[in-house]
Amino acid sequence: DGGITQSPKYLFRKEGQNVTLSCEQNLNHDAMYWYRQDPGQGLRLIYYSQIVNDFQKGDIAEGYSVSREKKESFPLTVTSAQKNPTAFYLCASSLTTGTHQPQHFGDGTRLSIL
Amino acid sequence: GQNIDQPTEMTATEGAIVQINCTYQTSGFNGLFWYQQHAGEAPTFLSYNVLDGLEEKGRFSSFLSRSKGYSYLLLKELQMKDSASYLCAVTLTSGGGYNKLIFGAGTRLAVHP
Repeated sequence: DGGITQSPKYLFRKEGQNVTLSCEQNLNHDAMYWYRQDPGQGLRLIYYSQIVNDFQKGDIAEGYSVSREKKESFPLTVTSAQKNPTAFYLCASSLTTGTHQPQHFGDGTRLSIL
Repeated sequence: GQNIDQPTEMTATEGAIVQINCTYQTSGFNGLFWYQQHAGEAPTFLSYNVLDGLEEKGRFSSFLSRSKGYSYLLLKELQMKDSASYLCAVTLTSGGGYNKLIFGAGTRLAVHP
């Protein structure tokens, strides 16, 4: 079945540690996205990529980094510079970034601080 | 700035009809999406509206009025499995040909027997 796989489902970070969240899609989509979801707030865009080897900052990119070396993979690194990393992280993809293209989401990774 | 408002919580009875409203004030508008999200799971696509009017898909319908900056999601014949959060999202044109999606905080719907 085609879809988006995020791993791990739960992740714990120690002070000063960088952690990487995995996102893989087999939908053959060009565009991929990372969002952060906090209670009582809408999803906020961290980074997006319209095509392989290209990515752009979203609204809250500080303290995060990404890479897009393969079409199907878009890992997110939460660095020690991100002072409030506890959140639910969602990866999404769409065929293109066209206005009518719905984004398809993975099941998310819940990140907590130890 | 960009602003999307939805009620925080709603309750309804199994078998009934419920309407979830969404109002938006955004600089630019290219369309509006509704997503369903069960707790701790992925949001799933429900509907897309770009023109004024009602789009019907089985038990779910979505309405848009661009002049009023208003949309609603109508759920008929409610089932217990419809208990979830419903996210309203507006798509805007951003730089570099990218169409940005702005999400509301979501409406948590509880369906009771």
